[in-house]
Amino acid sequence: EDKVVQSPLSLVVHEGDTVTLNCSYEVTNFRSLLWYKQEKKAPTFLFMLTSSGIEKKSGRLSSILDKKELFSILNITATQTGDSAVYLCATYNTDKLIFGTGTRLQVFP
Amino acid sequence: AAGVIQSPRHLIKEKRETATLKCYPIPRHDTVYWYQQGPGQDPQFLISFYEKMQSDKGSIPDRFSAQQFSDYHSELNMSSLELGDSALYFCASSSQGNEQYFGPGTRLTVT
Repeated sequence: EDKVVQSPLSLVVHEGDTVTLNCSYEVTNFRSLLWYKQEKKAPTFLFMLTSSGIEKKSGRLSSILDKKELFSILNITATQTGDSAVYLCATYNTDKLIFGTGTRLQVFP
Repeated sequence: AAGVIQSPRHLIKEKRETATLKCYPIPRHDTVYWYQQGPGQDPQFLISFYEKMQSDKGSIPDRFSAQQFSDYHSELNMSSLELGDSALYFCASSSQGNEQYFGPGTRLTVT
């Protein structure tokens, strides 16, 4: 059965800290891995990773995929209170996304 | 930039009633997806359409059906509603199998 596992489930940090969120997967017909940020609304797209070892970066966020070890990490540096959200990892199995349960990040001032 | 549009945003129905949720994908996106997200859970894939044809099916109950119309909008029809159907229903769209962009969701409450 396909599965996507994220860790930690929850993370509480102070502003300015750096965090690393983990995502491991076992998916047949793997095509790509995606990261989303979900506040109290729809998931917002962050990154899509298809190739191993190529870091994708957007401001303070970066992510990388390891297709040999079947995992990805999402790094957030110099966290801000606005980063507080649930971060969802998802993989494409053929045409559909399979989501992990998410990591809830809370950033306090 | 245009985003995915969903309507209604909130819907309250009684058990055994019927509900219809609508989704308007981003222009020129060829694939529409429907997801159900229960409280504290991750989104669960229901069904998808590529160029108006059903392309994949997930854990969608037989009481639910969906279709995509000639203008690419999609509707999710839910009949004989149960309390357990209360959830956020997201529609997402993508182009050529790339990243999916999610709509704001419809919050369905069944009483």
